[in-house]
Amino acid sequence: DTAVSQTPKYLVTQMGNDKSIKCEQNLGHDTMYWYKQDSKKFLKIMFSYNNKELIINETVPNRFSPKSPDKAHLNLHINSLELGDSAVYFCASSPTQGALSYNEQFFGPGTRLTVL
Amino acid sequence: GNSVTQMEGPVTLSEEAFLTINCTYTATGYPSLFWYVQYPGEGLQLLLKATKADDKGSNKGFEATYRKETTSFHLEKGSVQVSDSAVYFCALSERKEYGNKLVFGAGTILRVKS
Repeated sequence: DTAVSQTPKYLVTQMGNDKSIKCEQNLGHDTMYWYKQDSKKFLKIMFSYNNKELIINETVPNRFSPKSPDKAHLNLHINSLELGDSAVYFCASSPTQGALSYNEQFFGPGTRLTVL
Repeated sequence: GNSVTQMEGPVTLSEEAFLTINCTYTATGYPSLFWYVQYPGEGLQLLLKATKADDKGSNKGFEATYRKETTSFHLEKGSVQVSDSAVYFCALSERKEYGNKLVFGAGTILRVKS
């Protein structure tokens, strides 16, 4: 039973194209995240949603648009892809307890995006 | 802002050697601290965590103690195995009302030779 799943696992595309990455979690968590891992393995948060509402946006270019149709899904759409967007993108989720978020995050397997 | 600094790798050890990967942090307030591990071609897995000062997290023979006085959370293992070869990330959690933000160190590659 996959807890946090992402599709596709690999994505190769041309500069200027628009692409989407999907994420689903079956853990019943309220909060979901997108992280970007660059070629040097450095990980940085991009977005976070709680119950379909955006709560963290880390100055990511507006070519990146997250969409949360329900609290189990957080998709990432990228317009006008650039070479620098090549990276591994990880989705994660965490539960919320009361008014504070529980601090452990569960990660998906990652999507390796290559822009040519 | 908050930040995490961990020792640069790669770290190369022989099987059964002792492992230490240093991690220090800068934070306002009292963050939770984590070690995540990424095996080749896979996503991140939580290895261990500590939520307050002097807590010790442990899992699979790995340990780390939350030291507030030295703002450190060093990862140790007494005897590494080839299967421990992976990238190890130290992270802190900035608590938000409805979501916590993980701030990661740069990662340390560990290679264990038989």
